[in-house]
Amino acid sequence: QVQLVQSGAEVKKPGASVKVSCKASGYTFNSYYMHWVRQAPGQGPEWMGIINPRDNSANYAQKFQGRVTMTWDTSTSTGYMDLSSLTSEDTAVYYCARDILLGIPVAGYWGQGTLVVVSS
Amino acid sequence: DIQMTQSPSSLSASVGDRITITCRASQGISYYLAWYQQKPGKVPKLLIYHTSTLQSGVPSRFSGSGSGPDFTLTISSLQPEDVATYYCQKYNSAPFTFGPGTKVDIK
Repeated sequence: QVQLVQSGAEVKKPGASVKVSCKASGYTFNSYYMHWVRQAPGQGPEWMGIINPRDNSANYAQKFQGRVTMTWDTSTSTGYMDLSSLTSEDTAVYYCARDILLGIPVAGYWGQGTLVVVSS
Repeated sequence: DIQMTQSPSSLSASVGDRITITCRASQGISYYLAWYQQKPGKVPKLLIYHTSTLQSGVPSRFSGSGSGPDFTLTISSLQPEDVATYYCQKYNSAPFTFGPGTKVDIK
């Protein structure tokens, strides 16, 4: 079955960067896009971007342009989301999520989430 | 960018009630609208995509409809386990924006 296992919680200082990983299993990884979504405490989900594991092409929400990089390591079936210049407003749970079906960019399978806390 | 709004922001209803949540897109999104359920402390769960296609395993009391700009999620008979926040999301083109959510609880 489809499984997305994310890396553990992180505590970062303002100005630092964080890299969250998402290991995929149970499906042909390069056939499905991967989304990254974050959720700040008490807030709704916020879509950050999407990556095509086949060619590592990504489309980022404008809010994160220049600060986020999404990549995919085909050798380990692992996706990464790197967010730089962190501020307290980046404190959130970060999720990776896979498309529900081929060609339908809806997040149907989710990782367990990674809490990132930004605090001095 | 297309903005998504939801109404109401919260509602309280009795077990067995029929409830409807509305999501509105600021521009046309065709049928590219999904609904998610999120229970406290849990990961969002996909309920419906393509406006009205029920995700596998989702109870049939959930249904979706609409043709833009307004879309609706209906729970035909509210159950205690349906207490959650519900979010719509558009995915016709990036960014795949979520709505602000509707919190549902039991009266």
